[in-house]
Order: sequence, then structure tokens, then C-alpha cells
Amino acid sequence: GAGVSQSPSNKVTEKGKDVELRCDPISGHTALYWYRQSLGQGLEFLIYFQGNSAPDKSGLPSDRFSAERTGGSVSTLTIQRTQQEDSAVYLCASSPSQASGRSGELFFGEGSRLTVL
Amino acid sequence: GENVEQHPSTLSVQEGDSAVIKCTYSDSASNYFPWYKQELGKRPQLIIDIRSNVGEKKDQRIAVTLNKTAKHFSLHITETQPEDSAVYFCAASGNNRLAFGKGNQVVVIP
Repeated sequence: GAGVSQSPSNKVTEKGKDVELRCDPISGHTALYWYRQSLGQGLEFLIYFQGNSAPDKSGLPSDRFSAERTGGSVSTLTIQRTQQEDSAVYLCASSPSQASGRSGELFFGEGSRLTVL
Repeated sequence: GENVEQHPSTLSVQEGDSAVIKCTYSDSASNYFPWYKQELGKRPQLIIDIRSNVGEKKDQRIAVTLNKTAKHFSLHITETQPEDSAVYFCAASGNNRLAFGKGNQVVVIP
């Protein structure tokens, strides 16, 4: 595809249910980020994958949140036992590898809007 | 890790005036400083970036300046137009992940 693809675009769930959010990065991009954005707020970092390195999970807010990236491509963010405060837009972004480990442009998906009732 | 702060949180300007947003960062090893624009209901998109080997970069009505000694960088928008109204995020990184500031809401008053 031409850009970062996220699914579902909208998800409404009941408190206590588990949800999975999917991100298809741009082909060949080695870096993948997940962010959470509540209404009118900034980009809250959740987790960062870079190539085959161990992911940076320092932003995950609780042990109910987990993410994996299979084969260095597709990533899934899982939220277990959802709470109302988990309601937000979850944004995924990918970035190509850069020479000498330098960062490059992030390409964001449209996001997955999660509503927990 | 890197800590990025933006100020002011909200900025209102008259159409045609200039807008300046400033960011500070904490990690002296950071060498890449992008700015992202997020319009209402849309995804953030890169508008300009600068690396530490230059002090200023321009692209039409926008420019970014970097002061590595003071560890701050600024976004300058000249001749503002209504379509410049958005949230602007600065970010910084070295060899690790990109760290974003909390964003600035820019409102251009027609």
C-alpha cells in the first residue's frame, strides 16, 4: 500500500473486553511506533520497534497493554480488560532505516479510534 | 531519555502576521529535530525538519532554527493563513526513538 494502514478505524467495546488494533507499516520501514492521543491532547508514546532490536516498551501505561511485531512488519497492539480511560485514538507510525542510526520521517496512519463504554 | 517541551501551548495570530513556536530539549546527543502539523481530525504530517549540522532551514513560508548550545529550536511561520491553523508538534532524537513535545495549538484569526 501507499501508506501506513490501521484497522479497525473505529472500535466500540464494553469495559472489561479485550481489543486488538492492527498496524501495517510501509513496506521496508524498519521502525514502528505506537502512540495514544486522547481528545485535544498530545502524542503519548506507547512502544517503539526498531528492526530486530528489543522493543522500547517504556511508554506502556500498564500491564494490560502489550504489542508485538511479527516478521518485522505488521504490528498488533492488544489492550486487555479495557477501561473507560483507554478511550482514545491509537496512532501507528513507521519510519525507514537511516544511515548511521539517524532518525527519519515518521509516516502516520489514520489511527484507530477506541471507545470503551 | 529525551524530554521535549513546547511553549506556548496556544498561540493566536492575525492572518498575515508571523507565528513562532519554541521547543527545548534535554539530551545534548540529539541531532534530529522535526516539526509535525496535525489538522483537526487528521494524522500528524511532517512539515519541516533540521539536523544538527545546520542552524536554519527554510521552506517557503516556514523555517526552523536550531541553537544546539542552548538546546532549543523554533518554528517560524510567516504570512500566516487560515490553513495554518492546526496543532504543531516538535520532536527530537539522537540514535534512539523520537520524543515529541505536547503540541502547540495555533489559531489564525481571519
